[in-house]
Amino acid sequence: AQKVTQAQTEISVVEKEDVTLDCVYETRDTTYYLFWYKQPPSGELVFLIRRNSFDEQNEISGRYSWNFQKSTSSFNFTITASQVVDSAVYFCALSEASNTGKLIFGQGTTLQVKP
Amino acid sequence: ETGVTQSPTHLIKTRGQQVTLRCSSQSGHNTVSWYQQALGQGPQFIFQYYREEENGRGNFPPRFSGLQFPNYSSELNVNALELDDSALYLCASSLGLAGAYYEQYFGPGTRLTVT
Repeated sequence: AQKVTQAQTEISVVEKEDVTLDCVYETRDTTYYLFWYKQPPSGELVFLIRRNSFDEQNEISGRYSWNFQKSTSSFNFTITASQVVDSAVYFCALSEASNTGKLIFGQGTTLQVKP
Repeated sequence: ETGVTQSPTHLIKTRGQQVTLRCSSQSGHNTVSWYQQALGQGPQFIFQYYREEENGRGNFPPRFSGLQFPNYSSELNVNALELDDSALYLCASSLGLAGAYYEQYFGPGTRLTVT
């Protein structure tokens, strides 16, 4: 069965704090892709990152970093020195190579960054 | 380059009615996917169209149907509307079969309210 779990429903931090959003996934496929999307109040999903199951290297993009660990089926997202503009709902998603076209999303984590 | 656009932005319908939602894919993209996002939930995959043919469907009843046109724009039709159909409907386009191989670019969504 395919499933994505984002256990943190809401997180509130003060600006400049670091924050980590957790994502745990389940899949039987050996080839799969993991994604993070940001959804601001406007509603549009903004693509942040895609990783494939064969690449466990961590990735850093500016203040954003991602930690992919197959051993724990986790793909966590860290924002360093958070800013008010980071306030949004963040979704982790899974796509299996055998199930082309279908993104399976977690429930989302609402991040509120206070000034 | 024009992104994914959707119309209308908001829609209010009565239970039992039919609705058509429209999506224009990003230039050069031949694949369109539709997702339903209930309030406070992650998006759920409805179906995907690739070169005018349905290619993959989620757990949605047949009253959810779609079309893709030669210019790769798409429609989502929902018959016999139910109260639970109230949601944000998101359209995403990609360069090819989506999810695993190509990034999906999402539109701003159509907010459907069924009363």
